[in-house]
Amino acid sequence: GENVEQHPSTLSVQEGDSAVIKCTYSDSASNYFPWYKQELGKGPQLIIDIRSNVGEKKDQRIAVTLNKTAKHFSLHITETQPEDSAVYFCAASIRNFGNEKLTFGTGTRLTIIP
Amino acid sequence: ETGVTQSPTHLIKTRGQQVTLRCSSQSGHNTVSWYQQALGQGPQFIFQYYREEENGRGNFPPRFSGLQFPNYSSELNVNALELDDSALYLCASSIRTGRSYNEQFFGPGTRLTVL
Repeated sequence: GENVEQHPSTLSVQEGDSAVIKCTYSDSASNYFPWYKQELGKGPQLIIDIRSNVGEKKDQRIAVTLNKTAKHFSLHITETQPEDSAVYFCAASIRNFGNEKLTFGTGTRLTIIP
Repeated sequence: ETGVTQSPTHLIKTRGQQVTLRCSSQSGHNTVSWYQQALGQGPQFIFQYYREEENGRGNFPPRFSGLQFPNYSSELNVNALELDDSALYLCASSIRTGRSYNEQFFGPGTRLTVL
């Protein structure tokens, strides 16, 4: 089955700087890659996603890049703010296959230093 | 539009007992997925329900079972609780059209502690 690895496990960034989180996946059939933000005591919240027919997607300060050949994808957060502090999870799934099972990475705890 | 809700928020059980967790999907969503999130880990897929039938299952034993009701709400049942079942249980709802899915929206979870 699919295996998703995520690095780093913790990341501290000065406010205003950029943060990058990287993930690799094992199943070349995976075609949907969402990123979730989880704050303390809450469920994961979808912040951005990308499909395998797209190499990059941007939404304001957040961007995701996908390299299908290398089977890795990354989350980029620019101009970080204190409210960006949270745990971030990448995930992968095979869409349009009858069911959608998300396989998650182990998470990155991002701390923004004021 | 109401979001995904789960009950109860917290639950404490003892080993060997049975537990039922409940989830109300977001308005208009017809698919419910359940995930187990151990402390410090990413969520792990338990199973998914569509049209009141199990539609995909992760690597969990049969003592994990579920139901989906005609209003698309769902229950997760766990029998013969073990200490390792202590975790945050997350419900996610989504819209399935044919074999195509939209994004999954997660509820706040139920924190289960097994003593």
